[in-house]
Amino acid sequence: GENVEQHPSTLSVQEGDSAVIKCTYSDSASNYFPWYKQELGKRPQLIIDIRSNVGEKKDQRIAVTLNKTAKHFSLHITETQPEDSAVYFCAASRTGGFKTIFGAGTRLFVKA
Amino acid sequence: DVKVTQSSRYLVKRTGEKVFLECVQDMDHENMFWYRQDPGLGLRLIYFSYDVKMKEKGDIPEGYSVSREKKERFSLILESASTNQTSMYLCASSSGTAGGETQYFGPGTRLLVL
Repeated sequence: GENVEQHPSTLSVQEGDSAVIKCTYSDSASNYFPWYKQELGKRPQLIIDIRSNVGEKKDQRIAVTLNKTAKHFSLHITETQPEDSAVYFCAASRTGGFKTIFGAGTRLFVKA
Repeated sequence: DVKVTQSSRYLVKRTGEKVFLECVQDMDHENMFWYRQDPGLGLRLIYFSYDVKMKEKGDIPEGYSVSREKKERFSLILESASTNQTSMYLCASSSGTAGGETQYFGPGTRLLVL
């Protein structure tokens, strides 16, 4: 079946450094790739998403890149801050399919 | 602002009990989902519904059933709770009839089955 692999499972960076989380998906028909952030004890919330008709999208300190040929997409966080510490989930879905497949999550620690 | 609420934040039940988890969304979303979240396994889809009275199995439906009698409400039922169903349960909703849209999550219900 479809799956999404996410790496690394844990990432620790120094405040101010960049963090990169990578995901690979298996369903070549996937065309929507959201990223969710889940702070401790809270619900997952969308932080950025990208559709298959673009290769990159930025929103302030976060950006997502998509390589459809390789079926890879990545989350980039620059100038990390302690409040970026959370679990991040990548996901993939496709038009006409109601299921969203989530990666296993990356726990990001930003050390002050 | 989308609001998805779940009936309980914490629940403790005994093995064999029937358990009801309820989810309500106030944004007239067509699609609703139930996930369980376990460390290292991400979010796994139990069931989803794309319309009232419609339901589809997700990846791990065994031991669960669902009910969607009204558009805003989606219930998850554990027919006979077992200890391996101890988990965090998250409800979500999304708009659209074609899929591929943002999901909005509830706060989660942490269920402990003794």
